[in-house]
Amino acid sequence: GESVGLHLPTLSVQEGDNSIINCAYSNSASDYFIWYKQESGKGPQFIIDIRSNMDKRQGQRVTVLLNKTVKHLSLQIAATQPGDSAVYFCAERFNNAGNMLTFGGGTRLMVKP
Amino acid sequence: GAGVSQSPSNKVTEKGKDVELRCDPISGHTALYWYRQRLGQGLEFLIYFQGNSAPDKSGLPSDRFSAERTGESVSTLTIQRTQQEDSAVYLCASSNRVGGNQPQHFGDGTRLSIL
Repeated sequence: GESVGLHLPTLSVQEGDNSIINCAYSNSASDYFIWYKQESGKGPQFIIDIRSNMDKRQGQRVTVLLNKTVKHLSLQIAATQPGDSAVYFCAERFNNAGNMLTFGGGTRLMVKP
Repeated sequence: GAGVSQSPSNKVTEKGKDVELRCDPISGHTALYWYRQRLGQGLEFLIYFQGNSAPDKSGLPSDRFSAERTGESVSTLTIQRTQQEDSAVYLCASSNRVGGNQPQHFGDGTRLSIL
């Protein structure tokens, strides 16, 4: 089937290592951010979100960091597993834009066993 | 519970034909969104619906594209006189409500190929 992200930036990590995926967002007025994971042939899957009044949020094996000064968002995955291999997208919501999201270009994560 | 369901999962059609893509959102979700994803790229917003409010059509690329939604349930995206550049994955998402901090939940998309 069709693959998502054939020409995307790629991060290759060893199984068990930690992964850090970075995203630069565009609008200083954005108030809400989401990370999505997209496997080949599937729709994006929600991973974790963060509001602009926070700088860190943790989930299960994942942490999102927000640096509003430089408009930078990162997703950290602890003890990366082969099942984490996918394309990861960050999305931002402009304040007062309803719930409309603007997506970044995506990063492909490849986990080597 | 059931997630967002899209049909067909794949569609191949000839240039110039009309196509209709269907989305069934998560039950109870009042907001519904359509996106387009070209190969190797991120998601491009097309349109969203919230309850009975007028839809936000600001992302529709041309007047060949239109969408409808029946109440707070199924939505259809129609592309008339398809062109080869319309080839993409069309994704639908729904969320609990507009505003607040509600993530959008996506279906697996319809892969549209225009010959």
